[in-house]
Amino acid sequence: QKEVEQDPGPLSVPEGAIVSLNCTYSNSAFQYFMWYRQYSRKGPELLMYTYSSGNKEDGRFTAQVDKSSKYISLFIRDSQPSDSATYLCAVFKAAGNKLTFGGGTRVLVKP
Amino acid sequence: GAVVSQHPSWVICKSGTSVKIECRSLDFQATTMFWYRQFPKQSLMLMATSNEGSKATYEQGVEKDKFLINHASLTLSTLTVTSAHPEDSSFYICSAALPAGGPPYEQYFGPGTRLTVT
Repeated sequence: QKEVEQDPGPLSVPEGAIVSLNCTYSNSAFQYFMWYRQYSRKGPELLMYTYSSGNKEDGRFTAQVDKSSKYISLFIRDSQPSDSATYLCAVFKAAGNKLTFGGGTRVLVKP
Repeated sequence: GAVVSQHPSWVICKSGTSVKIECRSLDFQATTMFWYRQFPKQSLMLMATSNEGSKATYEQGVEKDKFLINHASLTLSTLTVTSAHPEDSSFYICSAALPAGGPPYEQYFGPGTRLTVT
C-alpha cells in the first residue's frame, strides 16, 4: 500500500467551477500536509500547508485535513484556465525529515 | 526569495556516458538539499538527501554508486548519473530546505532537468 494515495485524473472542469481534489494517507504519524502545483516540465510550487485538522483558506484555495479519516482535500474556487496543472499532495513527519508525495492529479480547466 | 536553479534544463547523452546536474540555491544557504526523480505522469520519488559537507543518504533501492551526489557548499549540490542507460531517462528535480529554524517541511524546488539517454 502506498503511503499517500491520490486519484490521477484527469479532472476536467469548466472555467468558474469548483475543483475538488483529495488524498488519503496511511500513517497517522504524518504531521504536516501540503499541496503543490506543478506545471508541465516544471518543478512543484508550494500552494498551501496545514498542520492540524480543519480548514485553511488562502484566496481561492481551501485546504482541509481530517486526521481521524487520514483524508486531505484541496478546493479551488472560481477556477481559471491558468489553474490547469498537476496538483500533488504531500505529507511530512519530522522524524523522517522527508516529504512523501501522492501521485498527482492532472486538472484541466476549460475556458 | 528562496529561488532554486538547476542546470542544465535538458540534456541528451549517449548510453554509457556520465552526466552531471547542478542544483543551486540562489538567495539562501541550504544545509540540506534533496534529489527527486519523476517519470512521466508519475509523482516525485525521493532519491537521496544531501547535507552540506557529509555523505548523502540514499533511499532504499537507489544505487549510490550510480547516482553520485556531492554537496560541497551551502548553495550547490550536484547529481552525477554515471554510466547512464536509457532506463535512467527521467525528470530529475532538486529541492533545498531553508536553514534550521524554519518549518521543517518547507522545501523550494528547482525547475527540473530532463535527461534523455539514447
